[in-house]
Amino acid sequence: SQKIEQNSEALNIQEGKTATLTCNYTNYSPAYLQWYRQDPGRGPVFLLLIRENEKEKRKERLKVTFDTTLKQSLFHITASQPADSATYLCALDKGQAGTALIFGKGTTLSVSS
Amino acid sequence: GAVVSQHPSRVICKSGTSVKIECRSLDFQATTMFWYRQFPKQSLMLMATSNEGSKATYEQGVEKDKFLINHASLTLSTLTVTSAHPEDSSFYICSARGKGGVWDTQYFGPGTRLTVL
Repeated sequence: SQKIEQNSEALNIQEGKTATLTCNYTNYSPAYLQWYRQDPGRGPVFLLLIRENEKEKRKERLKVTFDTTLKQSLFHITASQPADSATYLCALDKGQAGTALIFGKGTTLSVSS
Repeated sequence: GAVVSQHPSRVICKSGTSVKIECRSLDFQATTMFWYRQFPKQSLMLMATSNEGSKATYEQGVEKDKFLINHASLTLSTLTVTSAHPEDSSFYICSARGKGGVWDTQYFGPGTRLTVL
């Protein structure tokens, strides 16, 4: 069965540094890979989507890479701020109507000032 | 951006009662809605997929008679937890996906915290 792993449950960094989160998957061929932010007691909020034929995608301080050979995505937050503290989820997406996302457990990022 | 609402946001009920959770897509037509459940420090686990006007497809291990899903319109899906028990206490999240397109993504509701006493 498909498996999706996010490298660590928790990541603590100092304000201003770059946070790098890892997502690895097996037994799956996603058309897209998506990253979400989830705050405690809230639903996930969409951040970025990257397609299988894209290597990198950027949005403001966020950058996502996607390596379908390694079956890995890296999610970077540059110049991190305490407000970036949250749980970040990666999700696999077949990109077909009617199919659901498959989520990793998430990495909880804490940015200290 | 697209908005999905859920109601109620929080519910506390006694064991044995039924609870209905509504999920609405506010500014787009959701051909497919998904229901997830999330336990503390765990991933979102897909419970069922529902397409408007047809029966929901449940994931393995999810009892369809216990978790009744109705997707009566393109903007509304409901999840009813029947005869709820304490082990059903969880965070229930719905999401909606619009009609197909390369950039079509899922939009999530804010979630419903169910506590069964």
